[in-house]
Amino acid sequence: GAGVSQSPSNKVTEKGKDVELRCDPISGHTALYWYRQSLGQGLEFLIYFQGNSAPDKSGLPSDRFSAERTGGSVSTLTIQRTQQEDSAVYLCASSAYRDTEAFFGQGTRLTVV
Amino acid sequence: AQRVTQPEKLLSVFKGAPVELKCNYSYSGSPELFWYVQYSRQRLQLLLRHISRESIKGFTADLNKGETSFHLKKPFAQEEDSAMYYCALRYTSGTYKYIFGTGTRLKVLA
Repeated sequence: GAGVSQSPSNKVTEKGKDVELRCDPISGHTALYWYRQSLGQGLEFLIYFQGNSAPDKSGLPSDRFSAERTGGSVSTLTIQRTQQEDSAVYLCASSAYRDTEAFFGQGTRLTVV
Repeated sequence: AQRVTQPEKLLSVFKGAPVELKCNYSYSGSPELFWYVQYSRQRLQLLLRHISRESIKGFTADLNKGETSFHLKKPFAQEEDSAMYYCALRYTSGTYKYIFGTGTRLKVLA
């Protein structure tokens, strides 16, 4: 079956604009994660969804960042009023509840100009 | 604070030489530890996890709770091992998120 799919693959936006990044997890996976990958910074945790439980938002860097997961499947990461420091690769991953392996998408490369 | 530390940003070795990528962690509990790998132009993927105690592509990693380490080792490096390696810790209570280290780029020279 298909793996984790993210869209768009690349996004260039002007400073101050809002952007939405989409993640389609593997079917049946109840856990979904968002990470930000920056050069030299590794993978920075943003948010974690598990089924119908309240998400762990402890990694969101500011109130400009938000994410939702509709129907326990597709997730959207929204960045409002983008800044140049938001430029990075945003990775989404999913895993089955009791399986600990996380499967990653190919990422969305966001460039804020 | 919970943390994963990979002290080396870049590790260069010659083909056939032993490899050790270091990982230390801090976690107030019993974590699950993983190594993920990202080959050039590929997705991040699981290499191995400590609970499986398995060898994948010749790599092994032993969880040392006394030293809070989970170093990745391979006795004879191959050119195809060149990649970015990330050590990760998965929480085991409350949230089940992963936190990752900053990664080590391994270059295996011919």
